[in-house]
Amino acid sequence: GENVEQHPSTLSVQEGDSAVIKCTYSDSASNYFPWYKQELGKRPQLIIDIRSNVGEKKDQRIAVTLNKTAKHFSLHITETQPEDSAVYFCAASKGAQKLVFGQGTRLTINP
Amino acid sequence: DGGITQSPKYLFRKEGQNVTLSCEQNLNHDAMYWYRQDPGQGLRLIYYSQIVNDFQKGDIAEGYSVSREKKESFPLTVTSAQKNPTAFYLCASSTGGGTGELFFGEGSRLTVL
Repeated sequence: GENVEQHPSTLSVQEGDSAVIKCTYSDSASNYFPWYKQELGKRPQLIIDIRSNVGEKKDQRIAVTLNKTAKHFSLHITETQPEDSAVYFCAASKGAQKLVFGQGTRLTINP
Repeated sequence: DGGITQSPKYLFRKEGQNVTLSCEQNLNHDAMYWYRQDPGQGLRLIYYSQIVNDFQKGDIAEGYSVSREKKESFPLTVTSAQKNPTAFYLCASSTGGGTGELFFGEGSRLTVL
């Protein structure tokens, strides 16, 4: 079955700098890659997703890139702000199959 | 308000006891899921249901049971056979399939004393 690895497990950046979180997946047939954000004490929420027919997607300060050949995808957050501090999860699935999540990255934005 | 509701938020139980976590949604979603969240291990799928009266095991189903008698409800029972039940449990729903957004509840924290 699918296996998703996420790195790093923790990430600390200065406010205003960029943050990058990387994930690799094992099943080349996977075609859907969402990212969820979980703030402290709150439920995970979808922040951005990408499908295998595109290589990059942007939404304001957040972008996701996908390299199907290498089987990895990344989340990029620019101009980080204190409210970006949270745990971020990547995930992968194919077709109607269930999502498989990565282990999570705890991002801390230092003022 | 539309959403997904889990209860109780906190639960304590003694070893050897079964406990049932409630999950209700009014989003008219076909699919519902139960995840377990442990530090450093991400979200691991326990059980999921894509339609009423049908459900499948996820990656860590041992020691858990579910039912899906109504579209709105997907309760999870943590049985005494679950060897390490202390964890944070998240219920989610979606319109179905693997490419739809998951809507999560606020979670239930179970502590076994």
